[in-house]
Amino acid sequence: QKEVEQNSGPLSVPEGAIASLNCTYSDRGSQSFFWYRQYSGKSPELIMFIYSNGDKEDGRFTAQLNKASQYVSLLIRDSQPSDSATYLCAVKEEGYSTLTFGKGTMLLVSP
Amino acid sequence: SQTIHQWPATLVQPVGSPLSLECTVEGTSNPNLYWYRQAAGRGLQLLFYSVGIGQISSEVPQNLSASRPQDRQFILSSKKLLLSDSGFYLCAWRLAGGYNEQFFGPGTRLTVL
Repeated sequence: QKEVEQNSGPLSVPEGAIASLNCTYSDRGSQSFFWYRQYSGKSPELIMFIYSNGDKEDGRFTAQLNKASQYVSLLIRDSQPSDSATYLCAVKEEGYSTLTFGKGTMLLVSP
Repeated sequence: SQTIHQWPATLVQPVGSPLSLECTVEGTSNPNLYWYRQAAGRGLQLLFYSVGIGQISSEVPQNLSASRPQDRQFILSSKKLLLSDSGFYLCAWRLAGGYNEQFFGPGTRLTVL
């Protein structure tokens, strides 16, 4: 059974702080990792993806991957109220055409 | 650039009625297509995916079915809706042989009464 675990939250941070969102996965054969943002009532929007161990930065977002620990995280620097949303972690296992999604972490950024 | 459309945006149907949701993708060829359902307060559940015309893989046995009559068209159907079919239905696509990122359509919110 492929599993992707996320803390449901809500994770509350003040405006301007760093938000840290975490995700663990069960399948060591996983090869690709994705972060989506979903505003209430809207469809998920891809933020970024990572394949290799280490950090990948895109603007205010940094994805971090540690395959040995089966752990992927998303850091949001200078958090804004507009970042308030549910963040979904998704994992692709080797040999599969599908993604397994976590249930998401709700992030609340207060002004 | 690629665009994905879903319709209708919202739908209210009585129990036992049929269902047909449509998804189309523009600006790409031979995409992989996916149907997900997101029930209130729950995660994304993969229902079906397709790697080509007429090729459908079912992830969850239920009273839903899917078809892909054209390269960029994906249809989700039911002959008789259940209350438990209520939810947010999302279609997604990705480039075949690409980097595996999936891109979602705007979704259809279905309420079964």
